[in-house]
Amino acid sequence: QSVLTQPPSVSGAPGQRVTISCSGSWSNIGAYDVHWYQHLPGTAPKLLIYNNNDRPSGVPDRFSGSKSGSSASLAISGLQAEDEADYYCQSYDSSLSGGVFGGGTKLTVL
Amino acid sequence: QVQLVQSGAAVKKPGSSVKVACTASGGTFSTFAISWVRQVPGQGLEWMGGIVPIVHTTKYAQNFQGRVTITADESTRTAYMELSSLLYEATAVYYCAAATETVPRPPGAAGLDYWGQGTLVTVSS
Repeated sequence: QSVLTQPPSVSGAPGQRVTISCSGSWSNIGAYDVHWYQHLPGTAPKLLIYNNNDRPSGVPDRFSGSKSGSSASLAISGLQAEDEADYYCQSYDSSLSGGVFGGGTKLTVL
Repeated sequence: QVQLVQSGAAVKKPGSSVKVACTASGGTFSTFAISWVRQVPGQGLEWMGGIVPIVHTTKYAQNFQGRVTITADESTRTAYMELSSLLYEATAVYYCAAATETVPRPPGAAGLDYWGQGTLVTVSS
């Protein structure tokens, strides 16, 4: 079981907006930054959002992040077929003294 | 631009050890917070541990305590992950990744902005 909880799957039609949640606790998301990754099969994960809501250069502004309390969310607007991938949240956990990932969410573009 | 290149695929017998290398080009290696992340087939990403060379800080995930050793050689800009007592379930793709903030945070705290290509380790008798 992952320390950070994500829904196993979400889906949406092209052009729609979807959100992926990441639920934690006071010892991780409640105290530390959250980062999000996009992972396509056979490739290395790609950093999408860092420090809760910042985008690395080159990441479209269709991707946005937010955090409130011990939960965080990734929003993807204007869904495109190429957004179909697995998405992971990551944070630090003071009780475990290390990094933690969510279990991952598979996004299907209908 | 930072690039991370990992050593090639390995096939290991149960009970043996594997050591994966991750060589960096570009950036200031000593200030990187390097993490090792694995993905077992059909499962999600799992943080194994990490190192920040400049402050000689190493952290390990509890699931891997006592079985994984992460080191870094600043002279060759190479990080290593050694996993011992391999079980069949250790068959996975192992990634190194770096957080390249100017002031590094503990391993696992910052976003990992550069990733190696992954190394497939197969445990088979």
